Amino acid sequence: EPEVTQTPSHQVTQMGQEVILRCVPISNHLYFYWYRQILGQKVEFLVSFYNNEISEKSEIFDDQFSVERPDGSNFTLKIRSTKLEDSAMYFCASSGGGGAASYNEQFFGPGTRLTVL
Amino acid sequence: AQSVTQLDSQVPVFEEAPVELRCNYSSSVSVYLFWYVQYPNQGLQLLLKYLSGSTLVKGINGFEAEFNKSQTSFHLRKPSVHISDTAEYFCAVSDKGFQKLVFGTGTRLLVSP
Repeated sequence: EPEVTQTPSHQVTQMGQEVILRCVPISNHLYFYWYRQILGQKVEFLVSFYNNEISEKSEIFDDQFSVERPDGSNFTLKIRSTKLEDSAMYFCASSGGGGAASYNEQFFGPGTRLTVL
Repeated sequence: AQSVTQLDSQVPVFEEAPVELRCNYSSSVSVYLFWYVQYPNQGLQLLLKYLSGSTLVKGINGFEAEFNKSQTSFHLRKPSVHISDTAEYFCAVSDKGFQKLVFGTGTRLLVSP
């Protein structure tokens, strides 16, 4: 069964450093998303991406964040200068590729735990 | 903007007992509703979804949910829980289309023998 994969599973970084979180969405999907979950809190939407551009972003997704689909398979989230409050679990999701109904079901990856020291 | 309320942060229940996890959403013209489960140290797995049609939706692992438009609710139920159902359960809503998911704060289901 196709699935969304994410690497690394755990990333530790120093405050101020740049990090890139990687995701491989399901191959025929067209819409891509990043969410984050701070420990003990709810899952929050960061950004959605379609047709090589951002379709929607939240207030959290400021100039320190960027997303890219560098090739036909990877979808990345970059944080330019990490802050302590960026520590969270980051989930990638994808949808849309198997008919109209599939656009409404997002498949999530296992997440990358980012720890900023 | 859409919002989701899960009033119960934690629900303890004995094995083989029934359970209901509550979810209410802010009113909108039309919405899609979802329940996701998160097992410890894992990602989010879709349990079930309501897009349209029958208001009673059946999902995986014996779970079901009922969409109630007048009460703006989408409560999750299971008639008999197992120890393995111990997990965090998230209710989520999106506007029609490929829009972002808005999640509730989650309900931790604790099943004990």
